Amino acid sequence: AQSVTQLGSHVSVSEGALVLLRCNYSSSVPPYLFWYVQYPNQGLQLLLKYTSAATLVKGINGFEAEFKKSETSFHLTKPSAHMSDAAEYFCAVSDRSTLGRLYFGRGTQLTVWP
Amino acid sequence: EAQVTQNPRYLITVTGKKLTVTCSQNMNHEYMSWYRQDPGLGLRQIYYSMNVEVTDKGDVPEGYKVSRKEKRNFPLILESPSPNQTSLYFCASSLGAGAVSTGELFFGEGSRLTVL
Repeated sequence: AQSVTQLGSHVSVSEGALVLLRCNYSSSVPPYLFWYVQYPNQGLQLLLKYTSAATLVKGINGFEAEFKKSETSFHLTKPSAHMSDAAEYFCAVSDRSTLGRLYFGRGTQLTVWP
Repeated sequence: EAQVTQNPRYLITVTGKKLTVTCSQNMNHEYMSWYRQDPGLGLRQIYYSMNVEVTDKGDVPEGYKVSRKEKRNFPLILESPSPNQTSLYFCASSLGAGAVSTGELFFGEGSRLTVL
């Protein structure tokens, strides 16, 4: 069965610092991987996705993630945090065996300090 | 504009009073799903639908019903709401299980439900 583990329910960084949000997955077949972002009082918005092309995926707002099969990881990074990055971030996995269903991690709340 | 629309966005109701949260998508998606979001628990799937007239339980289906009579609509029904159903609800859709689908979900804005 597919599952996602997000290490750290809360991450705090200073403005300008590196953002690193961790995601590990389990999947019996090659996965599709996603990061979604949820700003306060809004729905979830796709940040980026891995669909078996390049292992380094670039998304919106300067975020990127790298698929590492050997580590079953898909960590999200951004070189320099901005105040507007404060939000909740969800990692999700699917594959062809799940017939379109996404499995979500529990989310990581990112706080950015001035 | 491609979107998933939920209504109502906010609702306060009382225990036992039946309610329906509507969901509509205009992307001709096969797959639709309902999630609830609670602090510390992330997103949990309530029900999903692979296509018209095909629905199945997710991880937390108790106390909920759904129907999929048309491709674009997927209402969530709470026959007798209880306070433990106070939550933020999201409807989502995707292309479905076809070869070109990755499972990428498109979400509505959410419906915040309070049951007193």
